[in-house]
Amino acid sequence: GQNIDQPTEMTATEGAIVQINCTYQTSGFNGLFWYQQHAGEAPTFLSYNVLDGLEEKGRFSSFLSRSKGYSYLLLKELQMKDSASYLCAVMDSNYQLIWGAGTKLIIKP
Amino acid sequence: DVKVTQSSRYLVKRTGEKVFLECVQDMDHENMFWYRQDPGLGLRLIYFSYDVKMKEKGDIPEGYSVSREKKERFSLILESASTNQTSMYLCASSLTGLETGELFFGEGSRLTVL
Repeated sequence: GQNIDQPTEMTATEGAIVQINCTYQTSGFNGLFWYQQHAGEAPTFLSYNVLDGLEEKGRFSSFLSRSKGYSYLLLKELQMKDSASYLCAVMDSNYQLIWGAGTKLIIKP
Repeated sequence: DVKVTQSSRYLVKRTGEKVFLECVQDMDHENMFWYRQDPGLGLRLIYFSYDVKMKEKGDIPEGYSVSREKKERFSLILESASTNQTSMYLCASSLTGLETGELFFGEGSRLTVL
């Protein structure tokens, strides 16, 4: 079966750095996505990785290792507004998105 | 900015009622999707559509149907609502092409079936 694993919940301190991991086992691979979802709001696109390596976008970076079936989202200089759920999704060989259950990130002052 | 609008944020229905969830997008996107989101589970695809009047079953289509009569509108229908359909329903759209994974979501419709 296809599976996406990410931690259920993480806590971090304002101003710090946090890494949210995502491991996957899917039928084929056509890219990995990260979305942010604030409570009661729509998920919004953060990043897309299809090749190995690190993609940096401001305070957020996303890393992919296809050989290890592994990605992480790195958030730097955490702000209170970063409190949200972070969803990992993999596009399989049929171009269907397989979603993880999401990681709830709690930022403390 | 792309806007995906879902007609109702909160609905309470009774078992056996017919429920319509409407979704409209304003960016001329080809692809539209209906997901449900439940605690502890990833988003699950109910139905999707790549063109007007076209629909494809997703992973959990049972108990649901859809309608896409116009490009901008994608409706989800629960023919006879049941309590296990209590959930958050998310509509999304994307540009044409199978490989486009960047989805634009509506704010969701939280449905409670009593």
